[in-house]
Amino acid sequence: TQLLEQSPQFLSIQEGENLTVYCNSSSVFSSLQWYRQEPGEGPVLLVTVVTGGEVKKLKRLTFQFGDARKDSSLHITAAQPGDTGLYLCAGADGNNRLAFGKGNQVVVIP
Amino acid sequence: EAGVAQSPRYKIIEKRQSVAFWCNPISGHATLYWYQQILGQGPKLLIQFQNNGVVDDSQLPKDRFSAERLKGVDSTLKIQPAKLEDSAVYLCASSLIRGASYEQYFGPGTRLTVT
Repeated sequence: TQLLEQSPQFLSIQEGENLTVYCNSSSVFSSLQWYRQEPGEGPVLLVTVVTGGEVKKLKRLTFQFGDARKDSSLHITAAQPGDTGLYLCAGADGNNRLAFGKGNQVVVIP
Repeated sequence: EAGVAQSPRYKIIEKRQSVAFWCNPISGHATLYWYQQILGQGPKLLIQFQNNGVVDDSQLPKDRFSAERLKGVDSTLKIQPAKLEDSAVYLCASSLIRGASYEQYFGPGTRLTVT
């Protein structure tokens, strides 16, 4: 089983601040995805990164895949209350099975 | 386009009882997944179907859990008998083809409480 560790587990910030959360593993992944999950809902895919060193931007969210394809980070600029949620990273193995981390719970206070 | 549908949304049962969950994937999605998400954890894959065949059920506790996908569309997941540690959210997801499994679309989940 490929283990994905996400840190910090919980983060509370004021509206307008920036934040970065991390997803780390000792395993290499063919691709890595970030999801956001809100209470009572299923995870919603935000982005997929495939190439080592790849950077993708989704409005105020910036995702980076490590050069060795073992880790990733998510940076949110000028966080808003709507960014509140559980951010899950998931790595795909050679058989395209997804292994999820425990998530980064982000709370943005108005 | 309609999303992944699941029912019921909530279920409370006593231990040793049986329970079944239903999932209707997005139309045309050949691959269907069932995940278990325990509070404070990420989703854990239980079983993956490609059309109506099982691709991966290595993490399914087969002594009490079973799943089927008749006609390659809807799917049911059953627990019999339930244990306290089965309390979790059961998520269904679907994707177009196995090679694109990284683009999975999740349903809202069924929250199971076993007392």
